Amino acid sequence: DQQVKQNSPSLSVQEGRISILNCDYTNSMFDYFLWYKKYPAEGPTFLISISSIKDKNEDGRFTVFLNKSAKHLSLHIVPSQPGDSAVYFCAAREGTGANNLFFGTGTRLTVIP
Amino acid sequence: EADIYQTPRYLVIGTGKKITLECSQTMGHDKMYWYQQDPGMELHLIHYSYGVNSTEKGDLSSESTVSRIRTEHFPLTLESARPSHTSQYLCASSADSYEQYFGPGTRLTVT
Repeated sequence: DQQVKQNSPSLSVQEGRISILNCDYTNSMFDYFLWYKKYPAEGPTFLISISSIKDKNEDGRFTVFLNKSAKHLSLHIVPSQPGDSAVYFCAAREGTGANNLFFGTGTRLTVIP
Repeated sequence: EADIYQTPRYLVIGTGKKITLECSQTMGHDKMYWYQQDPGMELHLIHYSYGVNSTEKGDLSSESTVSRIRTEHFPLTLESARPSHTSQYLCASSADSYEQYFGPGTRLTVT
């Protein structure tokens, strides 16, 4: 059963507006969350992360919010730029000794000029 | 910037052939991983290694095998390719339990 879910396969946003990508998880043992960005024919690149002890982390135009009670996190991109068009994956780690990351299925973001 | 390389980038091969997908990293990371991803699906871990001579199977069952003789090199081998092996294979490495750095991937098609 999928432990990390991205229920929106795609999202279109006008340039300059806010993009909000959502991610839900089921495993309460997840303690660290990451967002990756993937362009076609390339591997995922790390974008931003957040520890479960925080509820917000900001890096430039990118902000990740974590709501532990709802088991939900979101990535906000403000302002959105055409170069942000890519597939965004949410990932989660189950403790510091974890062997791997659990990934969602991704959301394809299209920023319209 | 992460330096992790995968070759070949694309491979089309017939059923029954033996193939090796190469992965190398120049960051000195002890931890390396192989993921498999089908279109529109999540990445699934198929193998990982925590150092030289250490290899383990991941969550997704795979008929492939791996080896880790050198820190920087983590090749994946399929002894007899089948159409069900058609997928994208992504190699990653990390220094700790946090961010993983991915290579560009190998898109494998078995005819």
